[in-house]
Parts: sequence; C-alpha cells; structure tokens
Amino acid sequence: NAGVTQTPKFQVLKTGQSMTLQCAQDMNHEYMSWYRQDPGMGLRLIHYSVGAGITDQGEVPNGYNVSRSTTEDFPLRLLSAAPSQTSVYFCASSPEQGGNQPQHFGDGTRLSIL
Amino acid sequence: SQQGEEDPQALSIQEGENATMNCSYKTSINNLQWYRQNSGRGLVHLILIRSNEREKHSGRLRVTLDTSKKSSSLLITASRAADTASYFCATRQSGYSTLTFGKGTMLLVSP
Repeated sequence: NAGVTQTPKFQVLKTGQSMTLQCAQDMNHEYMSWYRQDPGMGLRLIHYSVGAGITDQGEVPNGYNVSRSTTEDFPLRLLSAAPSQTSVYFCASSPEQGGNQPQHFGDGTRLSIL
Repeated sequence: SQQGEEDPQALSIQEGENATMNCSYKTSINNLQWYRQNSGRGLVHLILIRSNEREKHSGRLRVTLDTSKKSSSLLITASRAADTASYFCATRQSGYSTLTFGKGTMLLVSP
C-alpha cells in the first residue's frame, strides 16, 4: 500500500517557468489537499478538493492551479514560477472532509525557484 | 492566518525523560490533531481529540484539551532518540472544513 505518492522529490526551476507537481493516492480517499511548508511558517493550505471535479482555494492560492479529474490524482500547477514559491510542498488525503479525519501525507516535493 | 501556536519552539531532553508540548488556539474548534514530522519526511498523524473530549491516550502519548483555555498539550513519556522530530498541532475551526496547522515544536532527544 503506497499511500500518498508525490513526484518529483526535488526540482529546480527558473523564474517564469511552469511545472506540475504530481500527487496520487491509492486509498480511495475523497479529500485531497496541497500545503506549502516554509521555515518558521508551519504548513499553509494552498488548494483542496472534496471529490473528483470539485476544488476550492485555501489560504495561499495565488500562483497555483489545481484540478481533480479522478479520485486518485490531484496535480498542482505553478503557472509562472516566482522565487517566493520556493518551498516544500506536501500533498495530503483523508477519507472525507479534511478537518474531521486524520490526514495522510506524502513525503513532499522540495522546489527551488532561481 | 495561524490558528494554533505551539510552545516551546524547541525542546531538548535526555532519553527516558518526559516531553511536554503545548498548543494554543484562538477560536472555537471541532477537533484538534497532533502530527509528527521526521526530518525530510511528510507529517504523520498521532492523535485526534474532539472538542467534547478532555484527554486521549495512545501508547506513550497523552493529549489533553482544555477548551475553556483554548489550549492542548502533548505529553510523550519515557522519550526515545527515535522521538526526535517536529510536532505540530492542527485545528478544525468551527464552521470550517479544513485544518489549520501551527508552526511546530522541534524535539531533540539525546541518547
């Protein structure tokens, strides 16, 4: 049972480039979310999804897009990378509404924007 | 904005000692959760305590919740070097469907 899988684990981008961070879960969880973790800031919610075809914004959504075409996958797109988006990105899933259930996290994608 | 704030920011103890971390929050909650994060890894769920509960145990972990003081504590008894990690509290605020995480406490347990 792989749980939540994030790819890539590391990525370096130049300012203005775009890329997609992948997240897949094999637990048939309805709820998925993306967080960023910055030193001294804890985790901040970027976007979340309560099921296939449904997404919503979190605390820090600017500069990011998401879609949820299947239950398993929840990719995060950086449209035009900026140095302020240098961070560690975590994907998480839970069986239902995120705040009611323990969340299962992937191991993160470490992203540097030059 | 940050809902939960952990205290202390960092804690250093010897193996065998107990470790206590605190979390304070600002608004009413439905539940509070504690997570552990080992260096370079994702967060791992430890305990969920609902607003109508006062105490929960899981192995060497004990969590208390005082809704009147808007605070929670995580006690790790008989600490081991393997407990070295960052610990985060997360709250589900009343009326919201998402979790809000604090900034975490870094725990170092020395052999």
